[in-house]
Amino acid sequence: DAGVTQSPTHLIKTRGQQVTLRCSPKSGHDTVSWYQQALGQGPQFIFQYYEEEERQRGNFPDRFSGHQFPNYSSELNVNALLLGDSALYLCASSPGLAPYEQYFGPGTRLTVT
Amino acid sequence: AQSVTQPDIHITVSEGASLELRCNYSYGATPYLFWYVQSPGQGLQLLLKYFSGDTLVQGIKGFEAEFKRSQSSFNLRKPSVHWSDAAEYFCAVAPFNSGNTPLVFGKGTRLSVIA
Repeated sequence: DAGVTQSPTHLIKTRGQQVTLRCSPKSGHDTVSWYQQALGQGPQFIFQYYEEEERQRGNFPDRFSGHQFPNYSSELNVNALLLGDSALYLCASSPGLAPYEQYFGPGTRLTVT
Repeated sequence: AQSVTQPDIHITVSEGASLELRCNYSYGATPYLFWYVQSPGQGLQLLLKYFSGDTLVQGIKGFEAEFKRSQSSFNLRKPSVHWSDAAEYFCAVAPFNSGNTPLVFGKGTRLSVIA
C-alpha cells in the first residue's frame, strides 16, 4: 500500500516564476492538506481540500492556490514566487476531515533564487 | 488562537540515556495532541496521539507521552535512546471536536544522540 507521494522531490525556480507541486494521497484517503515548512520551523497550514473544494485556508496570500482532482490527488500552485517561498512543502492526507489521521508525504523542497 | 511551544530547540543525549522532550500548548479546551518525528530530508511520521482517556499514551519506536491538563503539557519520553532516534521532533495540536481543523505545530526540537 503506497503512502502519500509527492512530486517533484526538489526544484529550483527564479523569483517571479510560477510552480506546481503534486500530491497523491494514501489509498482510501479523500482529504488532502498542504503545509509549508520553512527552514528551522514547524509546518504551517496552507489549505485543505475535500470533495474537490478548498475547505479551510491558513494565513497565506492568494498567490497560493490549489486544486483537487476526482481521484483525490491534489496540486499546489504558487504564483509570482518570492525568495521567502523557499521551503519544504508537505502534503498530508486523511480519511475525511478529521485531523487525527493525517499521513505526511516526504515533501517537495522548493528553492527560489 | 491555539499555539504550541517546544522550549528546547536542541537536545543532546547519550545513547542508552533517557529522553524527555517538552511540549506546552495554549488552548481553551483540551485539544487533540500529537507527536511527529522528521528525519533529515523526510516527511513527518506520527509517533503517537492523545484524544481522551488514559493520560499516558504509548507510541511507536518505544516512545510514550503523558498529558497533564493542569500544566497544559504533553511531554514525550523514551527510557533508552538509540542512535537512530536522532531527528527533529514536533508536537502538534488540533482543537477538540472541531472537525475540520488543521494541525498547529510547534517549532520542533532537534535531538542529537552521542555514543
